[in-house]
Amino acid sequence: NAGVTQTPKFRILKIGQSMTLQCTQDMNHNYMYWYRQDPGMGLKLIYYSVGAGITDKGEVPNGYNVSRSTTEDFPLRLELAAPSQTSVYFCASSYVPGQGALRAKNIQYFGAGTRLSVL
Amino acid sequence: QQPVQSPQAVILREGEDAVINCSSSKALYSVHWYRQKHGEAPVFLMILLKGGEQKGHDKISASFNEKKQQSSLYLTASQLSYSGTYFCGTEEKTSYDKVIFGPGTSLSVIP
Repeated sequence: NAGVTQTPKFRILKIGQSMTLQCTQDMNHNYMYWYRQDPGMGLKLIYYSVGAGITDKGEVPNGYNVSRSTTEDFPLRLELAAPSQTSVYFCASSYVPGQGALRAKNIQYFGAGTRLSVL
Repeated sequence: QQPVQSPQAVILREGEDAVINCSSSKALYSVHWYRQKHGEAPVFLMILLKGGEQKGHDKISASFNEKKQQSSLYLTASQLSYSGTYFCGTEEKTSYDKVIFGPGTSLSVIP
């Protein structure tokens, strides 16, 4: 069982270049998240999705775009990369069926991360 | 709204106990606790809904005071394997599904 898979593991970009960070999960999870973690800092939520076709902004969405066309995939697009986007990017997923009192616990499973440097 | 964690860092000797606190200014639906070892991804420890306490793996437990929007993580009789950074994450009642993490608490256990 692969879990949450992120590609690439490492990438160096030049200022102004664009790229897509890939995230795929094989657990049939409905929720997916993108976080960034700067050196020695906490996790900042970029975007999240509660199901295919549904996305919403997190704390730091500027400079990023996402799409969720399938349950399995949640790619993160960086347009016009800037040095401030140098970070480790983590994708996470969770299975949260039900609503209200029947809503399941939102336990997140993280991918191994993508280390991105923008020079 | 990012939750606040304290302390920022703590150093323990094996066998000692530690408490990590997490608080929010918003009404909370849930509090999550994760541990991250250096160079690795965060790993789930436990999640608390409403008020109460929960026991996790090893000798790690947590409590959640829903009225005060505060949670505490208790590490008892610490082991070397407890070393890492501990993050609390919160889902607010007005926007659950969005999990916001605190800045983390670095825990080092030494022999």
